[in-house]
Amino acid sequence: SAVISQKPSRDICQRGTSLTIQCQVDSQVTMMFWYRQQPGQSLTLIATANQGSEATYESGFVIDKFPISRPNLTFSTLTVSNMSPEDSSIYLCSVEDYSGGNEQFFGPGTRLTVL
Amino acid sequence: AQRVTQPEKLLSVFKGAPVELKCNYSYSGSPELFWYVQYSRQRLQLLLRHISRESIKGFTADLNKGETSFHLKKPFAQEEDSAMYYCALSGGATNKLIFGTGTLLAVQP
Repeated sequence: SAVISQKPSRDICQRGTSLTIQCQVDSQVTMMFWYRQQPGQSLTLIATANQGSEATYESGFVIDKFPISRPNLTFSTLTVSNMSPEDSSIYLCSVEDYSGGNEQFFGPGTRLTVL
Repeated sequence: AQRVTQPEKLLSVFKGAPVELKCNYSYSGSPELFWYVQYSRQRLQLLLRHISRESIKGFTADLNKGETSFHLKKPFAQEEDSAMYYCALSGGATNKLIFGTGTLLAVQP
């Protein structure tokens, strides 16, 4: 199974600033996903990041607000731009492992608080 | 529209009692259904999926296409089962996951 790490684990930011979250995987994976989990709510997919192509964003999420990079098969970043308190959330990355079916493995999450 | 519904936010049972966490879904094709679990201070992890038809930690879940349900069951709850449980579905070419709102299972001693 894939082992995923995220940096930072948590941060407190001022409104109007941007934060870049890193996701590192210990093996090469094709598909990486970024989710948001707002307080008291479920996980919502932000975008799918494939290496070598632009990320595919879900309805309600745009590249200007959540730019994503995927420079290689083991790494991705999500930037939360021009933050507001409504962006306070846990951000998680996940990867898909095809070895035993399309199971997704999740990172530990980044807890973001915007003041 | 694709949707996963978990009607219970909290389910509290006593140790040894049976457990059923409800999950209903809405999907136009043939989805793949999953249960994910998040124990306190741990990351989200897969518990089981319908295609494997296996029992994990005593939990089972049967896909009922007629009722569009995928309820999670365990005959005798243990205190270590206390966690947040998410039902999720995947379908289409991208295999992205759509999650329910989750049910917090609290097993009392």
